[in-house]
Amino acid sequence: GENVEQHPSTLSVQEGDSAVIKCTYSDSASNYFPWYKQELGKRPQLIIDIRSNVGEKKDQRIAVTLNKTAKHFSLHITETQPEDSAVYFCPLRDGATNKLIFGTGTLLAVQP
Amino acid sequence: NAGVTQTPKFQVLKTGQSMTLQCAQDMNHEYMSWYRQDPGMGLRLIHYSVGAGITDQGEVPNGYNVSRSTTEDFPLRLLSAAPSQTSVYFCASSFTRSGSGEGQETQYFGPGTRLLVL
Repeated sequence: GENVEQHPSTLSVQEGDSAVIKCTYSDSASNYFPWYKQELGKRPQLIIDIRSNVGEKKDQRIAVTLNKTAKHFSLHITETQPEDSAVYFCPLRDGATNKLIFGTGTLLAVQP
Repeated sequence: NAGVTQTPKFQVLKTGQSMTLQCAQDMNHEYMSWYRQDPGMGLRLIHYSVGAGITDQGEVPNGYNVSRSTTEDFPLRLLSAAPSQTSVYFCASSFTRSGSGEGQETQYFGPGTRLLVL
């Protein structure tokens, strides 16, 4: 089945710096790659996604890049702000069972 | 649209008690799921449903039952609560292309239910 690996598990940056979180997948048939953000005490919410026929997608300060050959996709946050502090998830669908697996996520802390 | 709603927001149970966590969505989504979130453990899938009358087990199904009699509702039942079930429970729904599972990655979450089992 699909296995979600996120790196790093925790990330601390200074306000204004960039942050990059990487997600590795194993199923070559995967074709949709979302990123979710969960602020403390709140529900997870989709912030950006990318399909396998696109290499990069941007939305203001966040972007997602996809490397199909290496089977990984990354979330890029530029000019980080304290409100970017959250846990970020890259859920993947197990093609055999159709289960959506979230994993443990990455805790991003932006220090003011 | 109210989106995904969950009740109650908070609940305290004693060991051995049973209860039902309610989840409803008004977006006509086929796919619904229940997750639990514990510190350091991320989101773990308990049960999910690809449509009315169809349910299946997730990663951690033991101690929980679900049913899906309508498209809108997906209740989660704790049969005999245990302290290990203390957690935050999230319900989620998504549109999926029928039978394929595609689309379920775009999930809409409810606000969560915080459960404490003493």
